[in-house]
Amino acid sequence: EPEVTQTPSHQVTQMGQEVILRCVPISNHLYFYWYRQILGQKVEFLVSFYNNEISEKSEIFDDQFSVERPDGSNFTLKIRSTKLEDSAMYFCASLYGQGVGYTFGSGTRLTVV
Amino acid sequence: AQSVTQLGSHVSVSEGALVLLRCNYSSSVPPYLFWYVQYPNQGLQLLLKYTTGATLVKGINGFEAEFKKSETSFHLTKPSAHMSDAAEYFCAVSLSGGYNKLIFGAGTRLAVHP
Repeated sequence: EPEVTQTPSHQVTQMGQEVILRCVPISNHLYFYWYRQILGQKVEFLVSFYNNEISEKSEIFDDQFSVERPDGSNFTLKIRSTKLEDSAMYFCASLYGQGVGYTFGSGTRLTVV
Repeated sequence: AQSVTQLGSHVSVSEGALVLLRCNYSSSVPPYLFWYVQYPNQGLQLLLKYTTGATLVKGINGFEAEFKKSETSFHLTKPSAHMSDAAEYFCAVSLSGGYNKLIFGAGTRLAVHP
């Protein structure tokens, strides 16, 4: 069964450093998303991406965050200057189209120290 | 605006007992509704979804859910719990159209004891 692949599974970074979280969505999917889950809290929407541009973003997704799909397969989330409160599990998801469930990756656990 | 409320952050059942996890939603337009399961240190796995049509939806691992528009509910049930069902369960809603963001509930941790 096709999977959404996320790397790395764990990343520890120092406050103020830039991190890039990588995702390989399912190859024929058209819509891409990032969500995050702070430990013990609910899963929160960050951003959606379609046709090579952001289609929607949440209040969390401020200027420190950016996404891109550089080569038609990878989908990345960049945090320019990490803060302690960015520590969370980050999930990538992709979707083929209407009426089909989203497929989530297994997540990247980001720890900012 | 859409929202999801999951009643009970922790539910504990005996093996073989009925599982009932409650989810109520708020949406100004017909929603799509989902249940996801998260096992420890793993990602989110789709259990089942409601988009249109039959209001009783069957999913994987013997779970099912019924969309009740009048009650704005989408409760998840399983007739007989198994130890392997212990996990966190998330109800989620999106605007119909199928590609809109998911709004998640806070989750319900299900414990199954012998």
